[in-house]
Amino acid sequence: RKEVEQDPGPFNVPEGATVAFNCTYSNSASQSFFWYRQDCRKEPKLLMSVYSSGNEDGRFTAQLNRASQYISLLIRDSKLSDSATYLCVVNRKAAGNKLTFGGGTRVLVKP
Amino acid sequence: DAMVIQNPRYQVTQFGKPVTLSCSQTLNHNVMYWYQQKSSQAPKLLFHYYDKDFNNEADTPDNFQSRRPNTSFCFLDIRSPGLGDAAMYLCATSRDPGAGETQYFGPGTRLLVL
Repeated sequence: RKEVEQDPGPFNVPEGATVAFNCTYSNSASQSFFWYRQDCRKEPKLLMSVYSSGNEDGRFTAQLNRASQYISLLIRDSKLSDSATYLCVVNRKAAGNKLTFGGGTRVLVKP
Repeated sequence: DAMVIQNPRYQVTQFGKPVTLSCSQTLNHNVMYWYQQKSSQAPKLLFHYYDKDFNNEADTPDNFQSRRPNTSFCFLDIRSPGLGDAAMYLCATSRDPGAGETQYFGPGTRLLVL
C-alpha cells in the first residue's frame, strides 16, 4: 500500500462549480500536511498547509481528519486557471523533512 | 526574483554519457533536495543535504551522486545515464529539516537520454 494515495482523476469540473477530493495517508505518525499544485511540465508549488482545525484560503478549503487519516481539498467557484494536478504531501518528524507525495489528482475546469 | 534556479531547463544526453544538473538558491536555506519525477508520477526523493551533511535515500541508485560546494549551489551527477533515467529532476530547498517546513521547488530540468 502506498503511504499517500490519491484518486488520479481527472475530475472534469464546469467553470464556477465546486470540486472536492481526498487523499489518504497510511502512517498515523504523519505530522504535517500540505497541498501542492503542479501545472503541466512545471514544478510543484505550495498551495496551502493543512491544519487540524481546517483552513481556508480564498476559494480553497483544506481539512484534516486524523482519525480516518485523510485530508481533503475543496475548490469553490472553479476557474479555468485552477486546472492542474493537486499533490497531497505529508511528512513525519521521524523522517526529518522528507516529503512523501501522493500521485496527484488531476482537475480539468472547462467552460 | 527567482529563488531556486535550475540549469539547464532541458538537457539531452547520450546513453552512458555523464551529465551534471545544477541548482542554486538565493534563499540561504540550509537544506537542499533532489527529486526525480517521471511522467504522471509523484516526485521521488533521491537525496538531500542538510548544510554539508549528505543524506542518501536507501533506494537511490549508485549511478546518482550529488555535490554541494557551498550553501547556494548543489549539483546532481548522473554517472552513466540509462534510458530509464529520463525524467524531470527537481531541486528544492527548505530553511530547516524540521517537519512542517515548506519546501521551495525550482523549475526543474527535463532530462532526455538518447
